[in-house]
This record gives sequence, C-alpha cells and structure tokens, in this order.
Amino acid sequence: EAQVTQNPRYLITVTGKKLTVTCSQNMNHEYMSWYRQDPGLGLRQIYYSMNVEVTDKGDVPEGYKVSRKEKRNFPLILESPSPNQTSLYFCASSYRGLGSNQPQHFGDGTRLSIL
Amino acid sequence: AQSVTQLGSHVSVSEGALVLLRCNYSSSVPPYLFWYVQYPNQGLQLLLKYTSAATLVKGINGFEAEFKKSETSFHLTKPSAHMSDAAEYFCAVNPGSNTGKLIFGQGTTLQVKP
Repeated sequence: EAQVTQNPRYLITVTGKKLTVTCSQNMNHEYMSWYRQDPGLGLRQIYYSMNVEVTDKGDVPEGYKVSRKEKRNFPLILESPSPNQTSLYFCASSYRGLGSNQPQHFGDGTRLSIL
Repeated sequence: AQSVTQLGSHVSVSEGALVLLRCNYSSSVPPYLFWYVQYPNQGLQLLLKYTSAATLVKGINGFEAEFKKSETSFHLTKPSAHMSDAAEYFCAVNPGSNTGKLIFGQGTTLQVKP
C-alpha cells in the first residue's frame, strides 16, 4: 500500500531534549516536505526536499533541521526543542514538485508536546 | 511575497445547499493553486489543483474551483452539500517558479446541518 509513515505519532518530551521525527515513503517520490499545523494558522511549511541531498527552507525553518540522504526518508530533527514547537506535524511526498500532475500524499501526523 | 487568505474561519450550510469557500491569493508570478480537505484526526487530502490549464477545475467528491486571475481568487464550490463534507478545508498556493514551496491559508471549517 502506498503510504507516508511518520513516527512517533505522539510524543511528550521536555525542553532541550533532542528528538527526531521520522518520515518514510514507499512510492519512490522525489519530493518530500514537512509542515506544522497550529490552530488559526493553518499549515506552515518547515523544510522541503526536491530530491536526495537537496533540501531548502520553507516559511518556518528556525529550530529545525532535516536531511535527505536517501530517497525514501526525510527525518525532522529538533536539536533543542522548546515549548513553542508544540504542534501537529505532517510529512508529505509527491512524485515530483508541486507543479506535477501527481498529488501530494500526507502522513497521518505527529503530535508533539514540549514541556 | 506569496500569501493566501481564506475568508471565514467557519462556514455553516444546510444539507443540500450550495457550498462556497472563499480563497484569495497574492503571487508575483503565475501560481499553482490547491484545495485540500482534512477530516478529523487525519492528514490532508488533495481535492483539486490548478496548474495553468483550464481555469475551471473539477476535483473529487463533486467539488470544483475557478481560477480568476483578475480577482486573484480561487473559490471552492459544491452545488449540494452532504453531511460527509463536514471537515476543514485549506487553500494553498505554490509560486510556479519554485515548485517546492507551498503556502497555506488559515483554513475554513465547514459545518453541514441536517
């Protein structure tokens, strides 16, 4: 089954403790992206990757890191999490960039609480 | 800079009534435009997208949207609401010159009353 898998789905942690949210897709997609969703703000793009070893900043990259060492995985790293990073996070992928005819597939989300 | 504005954070319609969700965008280059739907506790699903072909775009579940360059709008419509349409809807814009960036509106929650 074609899917985007995020782990963990839920995490409660403390300020300053490094964490990684993994994202994996099994569709051989070139494009992957991370978003955070906050009430009243919609979704905001954190980072995106057009292909392996190619990453670029979205609108809210501060406090986050990403890497794209292989096509299927695009982990989101919070080196020193802070309470303002408490949010619902979504990973997504598509065959090429957003101008292609193929839709963007979203994961089920990861709810992070930073205390 | 690109931006998206969705007019009305909550819209309520009766079952069978017209659904109209409003979206206005700003973009300095010809954009790609999207509508996504999010059901409770789920990720987003693409309803439809405009990528500079026909200005009237038909999507899934009976939804359609019309790209109006002169009004910088991309409103989402459905002739007859169904209870299952109750969800949150997001409009998004991608500047066509960079097919990686995506900017979302704040979202509109659609309530469908029986």
